Amino acid sequence: KAGVTQTPRYLIKTRGQQVTLSCSPISGHRSVSWYQQTPGQGLQFLFEYFSETQRNKGNFPGRFSGRQFSNSRSEMNVSTLELGDSALYLCASSLDPGGDSRNEKLFFGSGTQLSVL
Amino acid sequence: GQNIDQPTEMTATEGAIVQINCTYQTSGFNGLFWYQQHAGEAPTFLSYNVLDGLEEKGRFSSFLSRSKGYSYLLLKELQMKDSASYLCAAPNSGNTPLVFGKGTRLSVIA
Repeated sequence: KAGVTQTPRYLIKTRGQQVTLSCSPISGHRSVSWYQQTPGQGLQFLFEYFSETQRNKGNFPGRFSGRQFSNSRSEMNVSTLELGDSALYLCASSLDPGGDSRNEKLFFGSGTQLSVL
Repeated sequence: GQNIDQPTEMTATEGAIVQINCTYQTSGFNGLFWYQQHAGEAPTFLSYNVLDGLEEKGRFSSFLSRSKGYSYLLLKELQMKDSASYLCAAPNSGNTPLVFGKGTRLSVIA
């Protein structure tokens, strides 16, 4: 079974631009979560999607948005990029059969390394 | 919300035993996870504890004390390949995904 796939692997953008990152979860997994990872802050939760609906949202500005498609694939978008958005963006999927993500094991993709210049 | 604390860095010798501690807030607790992340790679699941006590899985064991809001990951017979970051994680209150600690970077030296 293929793992979680994230594209692109690396991305370089300049301040003010926008970016879209893509995530394909493990087949059959219905929940997709996004995390931002930086050396100083560790993994910070961005948002979670389940059945095409945003179920949870972290404490990030509105420049960060996402969506999930009917095949569970997900995208996240960051508009008006800032230098501080440089980070590794990780996507994780889980099976979540009961619709309760609290004790679900997450399967992570390798991430998209975003550099904002 | 959930607040998870773990040491930033640890160093240990090949063949030795190391214990990585993690503390968390107990309110609304629903299980604690440990993940391993090698540099430049995805975090991978190591263990999940929901009941008190020690769970052993080969060279790795994880312990939980719910009353103390405390967990540790025990790595035995350390190998160079164990050099990685170890992330402690627990759900926030309510039906929310995992909150991660900042990770403990373990360096195994010869």
